[in-house]
Amino acid sequence: AQSVTQLDSHVSVSEGTPVLLRCNYSSSYSPSLFWYVQHPNKGLQLLLKYTSAATLVKGINGFEAEFKKSETSFHLTKPSAHMSDAAEYFCVVSDGGVSNDYKLSFGAGTTVTVRA
Amino acid sequence: GAGVSQSPRYKVAKRGQDVALRCDPISGHVSLFWYQQALGQGPEFLTYFQNEAQLDKSGLPSDRFFAERPEGSVSTLKIQRTQQEDSAVYLCASSSGARIKHFGDGTRLSIL
Repeated sequence: AQSVTQLDSHVSVSEGTPVLLRCNYSSSYSPSLFWYVQHPNKGLQLLLKYTSAATLVKGINGFEAEFKKSETSFHLTKPSAHMSDAAEYFCVVSDGGVSNDYKLSFGAGTTVTVRA
Repeated sequence: GAGVSQSPRYKVAKRGQDVALRCDPISGHVSLFWYQQALGQGPEFLTYFQNEAQLDKSGLPSDRFFAERPEGSVSTLKIQRTQQEDSAVYLCASSSGARIKHFGDGTRLSIL
């Protein structure tokens, strides 16, 4: 079975300061891990993905995430928050098993607010 | 258009009515997925198509839910005899492979 736990339901940062969104996962196989962002009344946009290549993954809009197998973590960071980063962020795992690597399991989400 | 298109964007129905939600995937995408997102939660998998074949429907919550993709392109998610707990955003996604998915903006369903 696969699952993710997002450790913070809400994160508030000042514009220009770093953002850290924490995610721990569990998976029976070598997982594929993703971060998606969802702006209000919009669909999900892929920020970045990890699929067993480099452990430090760079994504769009200045985000990056580091896969740490020993800690079963995949935390998302950005050095300097922008007002447009205010949104809901989802950590997602795909088990990678041959039979069901298409099935995504989402965390509960972290709401990011950015203060001017 | 270039993205996944879902219609209607908003749907209000009375309890007990049937509803149909439409998804137009990105042209040429073989795989199509439906997810249900309850308020304040992450999306949950409902079903998966490869072309016209429904390969996995393990996430459909009850036999009131039915999905089809008869020609391997447009898909319809139908909910019969709607209940209040069916209120959610229904997201459709498509991909050319199994893993990378492009999501639509969703249909927000409200059951009164």
